[in-house]
Amino acid sequence: GAVVSQHPSRVICKSGTSVKIECRSLDFQATTMFWYRQFPKQSLMLMATSNEGSKATYEQGVEKDKFLINHASLTLSTLTVTSAHPEDSSFYICSANRDGQTYEQYFGPGTRLTVT
Amino acid sequence: QKEVEQNSGPLSVPEGAIASLNCTYSDRGSQSFFWYRQYSGKSPELIMSIYSNGDKEDGRFTAQLNKASQYVSLLIRDSQPSDSATYLCAVKYNNAGNMLTFGGGTRLMVKP
Repeated sequence: GAVVSQHPSRVICKSGTSVKIECRSLDFQATTMFWYRQFPKQSLMLMATSNEGSKATYEQGVEKDKFLINHASLTLSTLTVTSAHPEDSSFYICSANRDGQTYEQYFGPGTRLTVT
Repeated sequence: QKEVEQNSGPLSVPEGAIASLNCTYSDRGSQSFFWYRQYSGKSPELIMSIYSNGDKEDGRFTAQLNKASQYVSLLIRDSQPSDSATYLCAVKYNNAGNMLTFGGGTRLMVKP
């Protein structure tokens, strides 16, 4: 299989605090992982490409100092939303490419963030 | 601008009918194409990939690719209410690393 997990599945935090979301590939190695954000009834928006052992590549308009990405191993990438604000409330989804395979992306179950 | 276009729908079909979902893309050199299904409140799930012109069948799903027309489609035979979801088309563009470009999705409603 190609299973990707995310933790937590749901988080509520207060404005100004930071939240860390973990994305793990459970049964394969993933040099490359991706972080997306999706607002209700809207399409996926790619935030950044996470590369193991190097800096993430952020899409235009995504603040790299606000959305910190760390990809320290071949099975784990983390996204930290720093100084969260209510407008950061969204559905955050990670995906991973299986190393050595074609370009299929396997998605985690997502993390629903609510900032109060 | 690299684009993937889908009709947002909703596409409504009766149970048992064939649902036809369409997608066009802008880069003629693209080689890899994917269909994902996303239920409301859930993350996308890969259902089909296609790389060569023609049809690829998997159970009730058939993906069709026409590179000359820059067109990829997904047919769902014997549609079931459980197929009601948003279907996302994704394209791997050349010179885009491992990144996929996603369409906005088509919402499918299968009515019992």
